[in-house]
Amino acid sequence: NAGVTQTPKFQVLKTGQSMTLQCAQDMNHNSMYWYRQDPGMGLRLIYYSASEGTTDKGEVPNGYNVSRLNKREFSLRLESAAPSQTSVYFCASPVTGTGSYEQYFGPGTRLTVT
Amino acid sequence: QKEVEQNSGPLSVPEGAIASLNCTYSDRGSQSFFWYRQYSGKSPELIMFIYSNGDKEDGRFTAQLNKASQYVSLLIRDSQPSDSATYLCAVHTRLAFGKGNQVVVIP
Repeated sequence: NAGVTQTPKFQVLKTGQSMTLQCAQDMNHNSMYWYRQDPGMGLRLIYYSASEGTTDKGEVPNGYNVSRLNKREFSLRLESAAPSQTSVYFCASPVTGTGSYEQYFGPGTRLTVT
Repeated sequence: QKEVEQNSGPLSVPEGAIASLNCTYSDRGSQSFFWYRQYSGKSPELIMFIYSNGDKEDGRFTAQLNKASQYVSLLIRDSQPSDSATYLCAVHTRLAFGKGNQVVVIP
């Protein structure tokens, strides 16, 4: 039981390049989230998916797209990377239905855009 | 106004002292409140959650919730060097997070 996994762990992109960050969870959770974390900014929600087939914008969605491929996988795509997207990206999936809503986080992807 | 506010700067406490962290939230309908700890370079991990007004204790950690005043706090008693981390407050309305407070415990 790996929990939440993310690939890649590190990535360097040039401005204008595109890439997809992959996330998968093996906990059979319905919801999945993408956050970015910048120094002094805490965690900011980019997109979330409450269930398979649905996605919604969070606080900072501009410049990103997401796909909820199936119940396990939720990917984040940068179509044309910008230096402002240099950040650490965390995928997460909460426990729901039990009243807990504890968020389980992946290990993060450290992205640098030059 | 941000959903979750943590405005205090870095907190330095001597080993063995009490560290106190505060968090305010804007959505009166929020029901669930969480404190996460994040070590440098690592993912956040849950240390406390609270749903009801009052105090909830778990080992050296106490979470306090006041829904009328819309704040939640975290006390760390007998602080240890291993408590040095950033502490993030989160509120379950879309699981919004505050900016975090860095705690440094000085031996």
